[in-house]
Amino acid sequence: DAKTTQPNSMESNEEEPVHLPCNHSTISGTDYIHWYRQLPSQGPEYVIHGLTSNVNNRMASLAIAEDRKSSTLILHRATLRDAAVYYCILREGTSGTYKYIFGTGTRLKVLA
Amino acid sequence: DAMVIQNPRYQVTQFGKPVTLSCSQTLNHNVMYWYQQKSSQAPKLLFHYYDKDFNNEADTPDNFQSRRPNTSFCFLDIRSPGLGDAAMYLCATSRTLAGQETQYFGPGTRLLVL
Repeated sequence: DAKTTQPNSMESNEEEPVHLPCNHSTISGTDYIHWYRQLPSQGPEYVIHGLTSNVNNRMASLAIAEDRKSSTLILHRATLRDAAVYYCILREGTSGTYKYIFGTGTRLKVLA
Repeated sequence: DAMVIQNPRYQVTQFGKPVTLSCSQTLNHNVMYWYQQKSSQAPKLLFHYYDKDFNNEADTPDNFQSRRPNTSFCFLDIRSPGLGDAAMYLCATSRTLAGQETQYFGPGTRLLVL
């Protein structure tokens, strides 16, 4: 089964960019890479996802390595509200039987 | 407006006393999931429903069951809670099971077992 590895914690200053890495060296060709974040006392919320190409949305950017064995979530300007646990997740690309693999999560601390 | 609703937010039960957690959704999504999240750990998928089709994760204990009487509601039944079942239980939905689909999570129910 594909597994993901993330640093336990990271710190960033407010209004600076943050790069959150994820390693998924055993990823298969049909696994989508998802990122969710979980604020204290809340359920996870969707941030971004991709398969092969880099992706941008209003919340963040996702940079996927060419060999797909790693990815990086980029928050362009961290705010205090971005303090959360960020999970890198792999999902198979087909419906039916599938695996949904959460990473251990990176706790992001944003310093004012 | 809340899209995935979980009640109650906190549930206290006694060791061995059956307990039911509830989840409802206003998104009309086909898939509903139940996750268990223990303190300082990532959520762990217990099972999911695709419409009426139930899919159990291989390592989900038999003590955990689920019911989905209609599209909007899904229940998690813990037949004989042990101390190790104390956790946050998260309900989530998605439109389909395709790999690119987004999951929408509820706020969770924190279960305490005395």
